Amino acid sequence: NAGVTQTPKFQVLKTGQSMTLQCAQDMNHNSMYWYRQDPGMGLRLIYYSASEGTTDKGEVPNGYNVSRLNKREFSLRLESAAPSQTSVYFCASSGKGRTGAYEQYFGPGTRLTVT
Amino acid sequence: SQKIEQNSEALNIQEGKTATLTCNYTNYSPAYLQWYRQDPGRGPVFLLLIRENEKEKRKERLKVTFDTTLKQSLFHITASQPADSATYLCAPPRNSNYQLIWGAGTKLIIKP
Repeated sequence: NAGVTQTPKFQVLKTGQSMTLQCAQDMNHNSMYWYRQDPGMGLRLIYYSASEGTTDKGEVPNGYNVSRLNKREFSLRLESAAPSQTSVYFCASSGKGRTGAYEQYFGPGTRLTVT
Repeated sequence: SQKIEQNSEALNIQEGKTATLTCNYTNYSPAYLQWYRQDPGRGPVFLLLIRENEKEKRKERLKVTFDTTLKQSLFHITASQPADSATYLCAPPRNSNYQLIWGAGTKLIIKP
């Protein structure tokens, strides 16, 4: 099992350019998430998808869109990148673990720089 | 609003000693709390979960406590090793089981 995979690992964009971050999981999880992580701050939720066909805004959705393509894939799109979107982006999925609670499993992250 | 606080300063511990990290929460009472480890350049990895009715949870050299009166969870690593050096994140649930609130994490450095 690959777990959660993300592409690309690194990306540099110019202000105003667009791009899509891809995420896939092979654990048959219903829920998937996109976070951003900035120095000195906790993970902040951008969007999440509780199940295939549904998406909801998180804490910081402005400037982003998402697509839950199927149960496995959840993509994040930046339509017009801004320097404030320079960050590390993590995709995660969750399912009911052996603890009975929804543990989250993370991808390796995408380091995005917007100049 | 719901808030999670972890020590923002790095914690330096001598190898072999016990490291103790603190997670404080305010303005709500989570039913459980999760702890994750994050290594540089990688995503967080789930370590332990403790429920509100559990005083203590152990896994190998790891121990987590949950004090609902103090609104605090402590994360202990006994017999610490340099390989334990990482950032440790606490994360209780938000309003539903699908979302977590994340602390900023505490960086732990174990010196040989």
